[in-house]
Amino acid sequence: RKEVEQDPGPFNVPEGATVAFNCTYSNSASQSFFWYRQDCRKEPKLLMSVYSSGNEDGRFTAQLNRASQYISLLIRDSKLSDSATYLCVVKLLDYKLSFGAGTTVTVRA
Amino acid sequence: EADIYQTPRYLVIGTGKKITLECSQTMGHDKMYWYQQDPGMELHLIHYSYGVNSTEKGDLSSESTVSRIRTEHFPLTLESARPSHTSQYLCASSPLTGTNSGANVLTFGAGSRLTVL
Repeated sequence: RKEVEQDPGPFNVPEGATVAFNCTYSNSASQSFFWYRQDCRKEPKLLMSVYSSGNEDGRFTAQLNRASQYISLLIRDSKLSDSATYLCVVKLLDYKLSFGAGTTVTVRA
Repeated sequence: EADIYQTPRYLVIGTGKKITLECSQTMGHDKMYWYQQDPGMELHLIHYSYGVNSTEKGDLSSESTVSRIRTEHFPLTLESARPSHTSQYLCASSPLTGTNSGANVLTFGAGSRLTVL
């Protein structure tokens, strides 16, 4: 079983729509959680950390559910520039960050 | 305004050749990493370093080696390239200490895309 699993998508949504997707992790001892964004053939970049109480950054909202071992990302009022692959990242040990394979979002005009 | 630089960005090379992928960062980060990523797949850690003269193998078995002689420099070497080494190699760095977010946030280089014929 993979340590981090994501629905690969793609999620095709019109501009202005809300899109949400989850990521599940297998190890209950996981300590920290992040969402990274990766554009096609580019390097991943941090989108936001995920805090226990949930957090927002503009149009992006992240939630953590430790009981069910998943994190979620919600994008409101989608923009064309939000089209990317969103990587779920989970920290288990000090050096070990486990990456999901990513969820692809395509926002259409 | 990249703070972490990888060269070459693209490399096409024949089987059996020795290659070195360069990675340098200007942020003074102690931790550096090499990840391997195939299209549509997750990143896999192949090497990491906590500082000068510290190198460890990651989760993915790799025939590559790394060195960390200077804080800012973390090159990856393949002594004899094979077609199975064809992949995207991403270098990253992070600070050793800091807040929960800061110490774990990775800054990635733009990647080196290797094709071995």
